[in-house]
Amino acid sequence: DAGVTQTPRHEVAEKGQTIILKCEPVSGHNDLFWYRQTKIQGLELLSYFRSKSLMEDGGAFKDRFKAEMLNSSFSTLKIQPTEPKDSAVYLCASSLTGRDTQYFGPGTRLLVL
Amino acid sequence: GEKVEQHESTLSVREGDSAVINCTYTDTASSYFPWYKQEAGKSLHFVIDIRSNVDRKQSQRLTVLLDKKAKRFSLHITATQPEDSAIYFCAASPHQGGRALIFGTGTTVSVSP
Repeated sequence: DAGVTQTPRHEVAEKGQTIILKCEPVSGHNDLFWYRQTKIQGLELLSYFRSKSLMEDGGAFKDRFKAEMLNSSFSTLKIQPTEPKDSAVYLCASSLTGRDTQYFGPGTRLLVL
Repeated sequence: GEKVEQHESTLSVREGDSAVINCTYTDTASSYFPWYKQEAGKSLHFVIDIRSNVDRKQSQRLTVLLDKKAKRFSLHITATQPEDSAIYFCAASPHQGGRALIFGTGTTVSVSP
């Protein structure tokens, strides 16, 4: 069974650019999560979808971060415009339902110069 | 909102000894408590979880204890092995499922021969 896949694995962007990160959840999973991981802030929620509907978003990330679920098997996270403080690992996770284990993808490591 | 505090930032143990990581949470409504392991350069890997309807759960060398009164839960690793070396994250879900996880800050466990 394929796990959660994320592309690209690494991304380098100039300040002010628009970048789009992609995630494919485990087949059949209904819930999808985007988290950001940094050494200083740790793991923070960006967005949570259930059956393609946005259930939660991290309040601090609303202005330049937009996550979408175009269909049940594909999600994107757009950061526009990027800033150096956005440098982090972006993790996508999925679960069968909200009460089940979340499985994480390999992450996208973003560096903004 | 929910806050999860992970008390040990680092833990060094000798191979074969036990390791214990302690976490506390603030929201009495939290009912789901998973643990994740992150090896160097890799993503989060689910290891074990516990729900609020039990106070103990064991899986091979891992045991999770939950004290709802004290709002505290802990991960016990027995007979540690070098491959247990990693960062361990505790987390809590602040509702009866269907919510994103709130993570602790991580404990770096080092197992020396």
